[in-house]
Amino acid sequence: AQSVTQLGSHVSVSEGALVLLRCNYSSSVPPYLFWYVQYPNQGLQLLLKYTTGATLVKGINGFEAEFKKSETSFHLTKPSAHMSDAAEYFCAVTRGVNNDMRFGAGTRLTVKP
Amino acid sequence: GAVVSQHPSWVICKSGTSVKIECRSLDFQATTMFWYRQFPKQSLMLMATSNEGSKATYEQGVEKDKFLINHASLTLSTLTVTSAHPEDSSFYICSARDRYYSNQPQHFGDGTRLSIL
Repeated sequence: AQSVTQLGSHVSVSEGALVLLRCNYSSSVPPYLFWYVQYPNQGLQLLLKYTTGATLVKGINGFEAEFKKSETSFHLTKPSAHMSDAAEYFCAVTRGVNNDMRFGAGTRLTVKP
Repeated sequence: GAVVSQHPSWVICKSGTSVKIECRSLDFQATTMFWYRQFPKQSLMLMATSNEGSKATYEQGVEKDKFLINHASLTLSTLTVTSAHPEDSSFYICSARDRYYSNQPQHFGDGTRLSIL
């Protein structure tokens, strides 16, 4: 079975600081990994995804994530936080992109001025 | 880009009534749609997988007689919460997979907030 663990339910950074949101996965087969962002009372917006190929993937809004098989990790980073980045972030995994998605518990990002 | 529309976005109703939520793929066909439930400050939990023209597959612990799913066309799946009670109050989100672009991830709707009084 596939699962993801997000370390830290709440991360707070200052505007302009590095953002690091952690995600570790468990999968018996090569995983497809995703990061989504959710603003209050809204659905999910895909930030980026890893399927195959390059392990460093770049997404929207300046976010990127690196797939590290040896560490079973897929941490999300952004060099400089913006106030508009404050939201809930979810890491998700599927066995393949066709299969149902399993979400982590989520990490709430707060950006301080 | 692919758009999934959910309707209504917010509904408030009395305990004991049934509520229907629609999930439409606006510019693509979806043989498979997924229904998730999200309680406040929690993650999304998959409730069921909706398959066009066949019965939905429910996750363990989800009552199929309470959460009726119908996927009668390639662009519409509906979730009906029957005899809703306050504990059914939640944020329900659907997603859809494009039948012709199977290498693309699911497209999510904007969710429906259900409040049962």
